[in-house]
Amino acid sequence: DSGVTQTPKHLITATGQRVTLRCSPRSGDLSVYWYQQSLDQGLQFLIQYYNGEERAKGNILERFSAQQFPDLHSELNLSSLELGDSALYFCASSLPGGIPRTSGGQRGDTQYFGPGTRLTVL
Amino acid sequence: DQQVKQNSPSLSVQEGRISILNCDYTNSMFDYFLWYKKYPAEGPTFLISISSIKDKNEDGRFTVFLNKSAKHLSLHIVPSQPGDSAVYFCAASARYGGSQGNLIFGKGTKLSVKP
Repeated sequence: DSGVTQTPKHLITATGQRVTLRCSPRSGDLSVYWYQQSLDQGLQFLIQYYNGEERAKGNILERFSAQQFPDLHSELNLSSLELGDSALYFCASSLPGGIPRTSGGQRGDTQYFGPGTRLTVL
Repeated sequence: DQQVKQNSPSLSVQEGRISILNCDYTNSMFDYFLWYKKYPAEGPTFLISISSIKDKNEDGRFTVFLNKSAKHLSLHIVPSQPGDSAVYFCAASARYGGSQGNLIFGKGTKLSVKP
């Protein structure tokens, strides 16, 4: 168990609809990242939030948006859904990069992933 | 332009033998490297990492080697077990250079360990 939680686990919806995916980071982690994985493709980075503010953007469509709340949980909003948006959506969390984790000598920017949300657009 | 490359999409190994997964990178600002393991329909699981000040890090059956001059790293799994069958992602991070905390992932190598 990575300590990152994502809900819902599965989501089935129709084209044109809007959905919200939720992520709670590991305790103490300030950064949240969203990734998309489509059909045996690699992990596509979408967006990063750090302590409530957008930090970096990847290949995120304009129909998609995200936010991080004061309690550090994050939501990814997907609107005007298309068939091609069907994918696994992963959230990950990390500490700030310069802070060492307390165990294993890992650096703070080690990301821990949630179990994912499988989105099916029909 | 792919900054982290895993040139072998798949690898098949016999149980008990060594698995070697390779990864190349182009950005000399990368100073931290990670390997993740991913089973189908599950989130990637952190496996092992290495800082650029080291050239080797071991954790049980898993060893990561870093060759900075060649911008190459590899993950060795000894001995390989059927449960190691998964997709392995290499990732890299640069503490400086405007991408603090942002991991750049390779496309993954699918490892199959046959009994």
